[in-house]
Amino acid sequence: DAGVIQSPRHEVTEMGQEVTLRCKPISGHNSLFWYRQTMMRGLELLIYFNNNVPIDDSGMPEDRFSAKMPNASFSTLKIQPSEPRDSAVYFCASSRALGQFFGPGTRLTVL
Amino acid sequence: AQTVTQSQPEMSVQEAETVTLSCTYDTSESDYYLFWYKQPPSRQMILVIRQEAYKQQNATENRFSVNFQKAAKSFSLKISDSQLGDAAMYFCAYRKANTNAGKSTFGDGTTLTVKP
Repeated sequence: DAGVIQSPRHEVTEMGQEVTLRCKPISGHNSLFWYRQTMMRGLELLIYFNNNVPIDDSGMPEDRFSAKMPNASFSTLKIQPSEPRDSAVYFCASSRALGQFFGPGTRLTVL
Repeated sequence: AQTVTQSQPEMSVQEAETVTLSCTYDTSESDYYLFWYKQPPSRQMILVIRQEAYKQQNATENRFSVNFQKAAKSFSLKISDSQLGDAAMYFCAYRKANTNAGKSTFGDGTTLTVKP
């Protein structure tokens, strides 16, 4: 298995632009998580899905953030409009039972 | 709410020596899981070891072992024969059992430096 796949690996955009981050979980995993990591706030859980259904989105910072999981093999995290304070590394992780498997992350820079 | 505390922001160890990273947690649950994750400079988080709370025996994975003290709510990670490749940030995590979605609570991490 290729592991959790995230794209793009790096994204540089200007303030106000829409950003879409993509994730392909490990096949057979039924839970998917989106995290954000910064030096200031550490690792934050934004939202997680179980069987494609959002279970808890209380970590989503504001309405500019949205996440979807249209099927078991794909999820997106969208920021619209993006702001400089959204600059961070965004991780996707998937899980079937015990422990989570993380993707390589997307480093987002908003200028 | 569950909390996970890693009281050591930074630790260092000499190559080939042993180091222990501390983790405490707070929960009212009796059944849960605990994890240690490693995040090397490459950024990708890797599951190192896990412990089921109902098991008394401490988990071991090669040079990595844990000291699980359920009554004290302590879950430390011991790295034996430290190698340069062990240098990373280590996160302790808690997950309640009997949850379908598997949400985990993470500590703030401990940065481990390995000196040659």
